Amino acid sequence: QQQVKQSPQSLIVQKGGISIINCAYENTAFDYFPWYQQFPGKGPALLIAIRPDVSEKKEGRFTISFNKSAKQFSLHIMDSQPGDSATYFCAASKGGATNKLIFGTGTLLAVQP
Amino acid sequence: KAGVTQTPRYLIKTRGQQVTLSCSPISGHRSVSWYQQTPGQGLQFLFEYFSETQRNKGNFPGRFSGRQFSNSRSEMNVSTLELGDSALYLCASTEGPANTEAFFGQGTRLTVV
Repeated sequence: QQQVKQSPQSLIVQKGGISIINCAYENTAFDYFPWYQQFPGKGPALLIAIRPDVSEKKEGRFTISFNKSAKQFSLHIMDSQPGDSATYFCAASKGGATNKLIFGTGTLLAVQP
Repeated sequence: KAGVTQTPRYLIKTRGQQVTLSCSPISGHRSVSWYQQTPGQGLQFLFEYFSETQRNKGNFPGRFSGRQFSNSRSEMNVSTLELGDSALYLCASTEGPANTEAFFGQGTRLTVV
């Protein structure tokens, strides 16, 4: 129940295309869902996050879609650029007195020029 | 505003030794969490501190310990190192006690030989 399942494991997208990464969870106590971007040799960087009271959140080229009934959420990267090539992690956190994040297994994105 | 600072960046230790890693959170942030990142297991939660109190601990053996000081700086210690402890250890800084944005440092790369 603590797991967050992420797919695909790797993704190749052409420049200008849309990258879509999906995550699913079981624990309905999760109420905070961030996405992180990690480049080699760096720590994860927070991209965008959503809470279950909204179905979509957009920041620039990055959009989170959230389906509470299906317990799924996804990251869409519009107009993908070679500089977006990185590993992306979804995560989830429970409400209450904690910042503990449960991470998905990561998606290695390669954007081809 | 300075980011999360982790020291040292790289460490090489011998099996059986112990190691201490340090994390200075973003100024004003009072919560620090630690994660272990390996290719096989991904990002796994180690422990979380808020106002010098450990609030959560992940599923790691007792050889892994940590603490937080009154200035919010945190240290983690691994005793009796094993080869499997080789990993990137990441510190995350958050402002509040629950479900707030977590900002990661660049990590400490520990290699056990």
